[in-house]
Amino acid sequence: AQKVTQAQTEISVVEKEDVTLDCVYETRDTTYYLFWYKQPPSGELVFLIRRNSFDEQNEISGRYSWNFQKSTSSFNFTITASQVVDSAVYFCALSVAGANSKLTFGKGITLSVRP
Amino acid sequence: DTGVSQDPRHKITKRGQNVTFRCDPISEHNRLYWYRQTLGQGPEFLTYFQNEAQLEKSRLLSDRFSAERPKGSFSTLEIQRTEQGDSAMYLCASSALPGQGTYEQYFGPGTRLTVT
Repeated sequence: AQKVTQAQTEISVVEKEDVTLDCVYETRDTTYYLFWYKQPPSGELVFLIRRNSFDEQNEISGRYSWNFQKSTSSFNFTITASQVVDSAVYFCALSVAGANSKLTFGKGITLSVRP
Repeated sequence: DTGVSQDPRHKITKRGQNVTFRCDPISEHNRLYWYRQTLGQGPEFLTYFQNEAQLEKSRLLSDRFSAERPKGSFSTLEIQRTEQGDSAMYLCASSALPGQGTYEQYFGPGTRLTVT
């Protein structure tokens, strides 16, 4: 069985601060995929990134960066110079290679960015 | 280019009534998923279709729940004899088959169900 743990429940920062959202996963499969989704107050889940288990290279996209470490089963997400529009609930998710690729989500982290 | 759409966006019903939700996936996507999200939790998998075939159902999907995807296009999720515990956001997502495009699941805006 797969499991995703997002130990942080709520984070509050002031605009322009950097913030890191933690994600720890569990799976016995060797081929799997990790995801981050953003859920703004409007409610719609927005895809941010996908990373497969064979690619540990970190990724940067604008103010967003992701750090994947198989040794610690972690896939952390950093927002640099946060903005008020970053306020949302962020979910980390896992799927394993196979027939259906269903997502197993963590409980989410509520990020509030204050002006 | 339209995304995943869901209808209705909100549904209030009385306990014991039946409700049906509709999901229209991204047109070229073969895979369609239903998830349920309760307050303060992440989405939980309910069921999955590849084209018109329902290939997996979660144990969360009791006998009161049924889903269909006729002709492999839109999908419906029906809940019979609703209970207050069914109150949640019901999310639909679609994705391409591996090797046929991006692998990610794209979500609709959800249908929020309130059972009174």
